[in-house]
Amino acid sequence: EAGVAQSPRYKIIEKRQSVAFWCNPISGHATLYWYQQILGQGPKLLIQFQNNGVVDDSQLPKDRFSAERLKGVDSTLKIQPAKLEDSAVYLCASSLQGAVYGYTFGSGTRLTVV
Amino acid sequence: AQKVTQAQTEISVVEKEDVTLDCVYETRDTTYYLFWYKQPPSGELVFLIRRNSFDEQNEISGRYSWNFQKSTSSFNFTITASQVVDSAVYFCALNDLYGGATNKLIFGTGTLLAVQP
Repeated sequence: EAGVAQSPRYKIIEKRQSVAFWCNPISGHATLYWYQQILGQGPKLLIQFQNNGVVDDSQLPKDRFSAERLKGVDSTLKIQPAKLEDSAVYLCASSLQGAVYGYTFGSGTRLTVV
Repeated sequence: AQKVTQAQTEISVVEKEDVTLDCVYETRDTTYYLFWYKQPPSGELVFLIRRNSFDEQNEISGRYSWNFQKSTSSFNFTITASQVVDSAVYFCALNDLYGGATNKLIFGTGTLLAVQP
C-alpha cells in the first residue's frame, strides 16, 4: 500500500511570498488532515477534510492560509503571504475512519521563511 | 479541555539502559484513543501503538512496552535495553472525539530521547 505522498520535501521562501504544498493521501481514505509542526513542538491541526468538505478549520489562520481538497482526493495547502513564524514542518495525514483505523502521516514539507 | 502532557523534554541514556517516557492526558470523553509516535531525524511520524480507553491491558512488543492507567490518566512507554537507533522524538497523542464531529489527534510536546553508544 502506498503511503501518504507530500511535495515538495523542502521549501525556502522570503517573507511575503506565497507557497503551496501538495498532499496525496492513501487511496480510499476519506479523511485528510494538515498539521503544522513548529520546531520543538508537537504537531497542531490546521484543517481536517472529510471527503471534499471541511470538518474543522478552527486553527487555520484564514487571513493567510487556505486549503482545498478537490474531488475528495488530493489536497493543497497555501500560504499567502508567508511570515517568518510560518517556518515549520507541514504534515499531511489521512485516515479511513479516524482513531478506529489509525492515521498515516506523510514525510512532511519543511518550510523556511527568511 | 483535551490535553496531552509530556513533562520530559529530553532524556539521555546509555545504550542498553531501560528508559520510560511519561504521558499524562486530560479528556472529557469516556471513549478515546491514545497513541505513541516516533519521529526520527528524517521527520516522518512513525506509528508505534494505538490503545482505546476500554482496554487497560499493558502491551509488550519486542523491546517496547506500554502501561495504560486510567486512574492516573497516564499512558507511559518503556524501551528496554535501549539502542542508538531508538534516538528520536517520541510523541504521545490523544484522539479527540468530543462533540463527535472530528477525529483529530492532539499531540503532546514530545520527548527527545538520545541514546549514547
